[in-house]
Amino acid sequence: AQKITQTQPGMFVQEKEAVTLDCTYDTSDQSYGLFWYKQPSSGEMIFLIYQGSYDEQNATEGRYSLNFQKARKSANLVISASQLGDSAMYFCAMREKTGNTPLVFGKGTRLSVIA
Amino acid sequence: EAGVVQSPRYKIIEKKQPVAFWCNPISGHNTLYWYRQNLGQGPELLIRYENEEAVDDSQLPKDRFSAERLKGVDSTLKIQPAELGDSAVYLCASSWGQSSYEQYFGPGTRLTVT
Repeated sequence: AQKITQTQPGMFVQEKEAVTLDCTYDTSDQSYGLFWYKQPSSGEMIFLIYQGSYDEQNATEGRYSLNFQKARKSANLVISASQLGDSAMYFCAMREKTGNTPLVFGKGTRLSVIA
Repeated sequence: EAGVVQSPRYKIIEKKQPVAFWCNPISGHNTLYWYRQNLGQGPELLIRYENEEAVDDSQLPKDRFSAERLKGVDSTLKIQPAELGDSAVYLCASSWGQSSYEQYFGPGTRLTVT
């Protein structure tokens, strides 16, 4: 079974600073995908970034980067130059890479950006 | 391109009453998911459809929950009768093709059972 662990219930960061949100995972699958989603107070889940288990380079999408350490089974999200609009819940998730299997989510981290 | 549409956005009902949620996925997306998100938790899968077929409903409490996806497009999730513990956000998501890694989520329906 797959499992995602997010150990930081809440984080604070100063505007324009970088912040790292932690995520560790557990799976017996060799081929899998790791995801980060943002959930603002309005409720929708917004896809941020994806990392495949066989991708050798860390994924980047604008101000988001994923620090993938396969041996440690970690997939931390780094947000650079934080903005007030980044305040939200952030969820790490994973799924098998083959087939349209469902996402398995962690409990999330609430990020608050301070002006 | 329109995103995943869900209605209603909010619903308040008394326990033992029935309730239904509706989802219209992105056009052309053959896979549809219903997730439930309890307060302070991440979403958890209730049921997954491939076209009209429910291919994974192992987490759906079948004594009170039912779902359908007629014609392989939009879907309805029903609870009858609702219990206090059903208060949650119900999220619908869709994806396209095989091994499509990205799932697109709707805004969710926030259900409060009193």
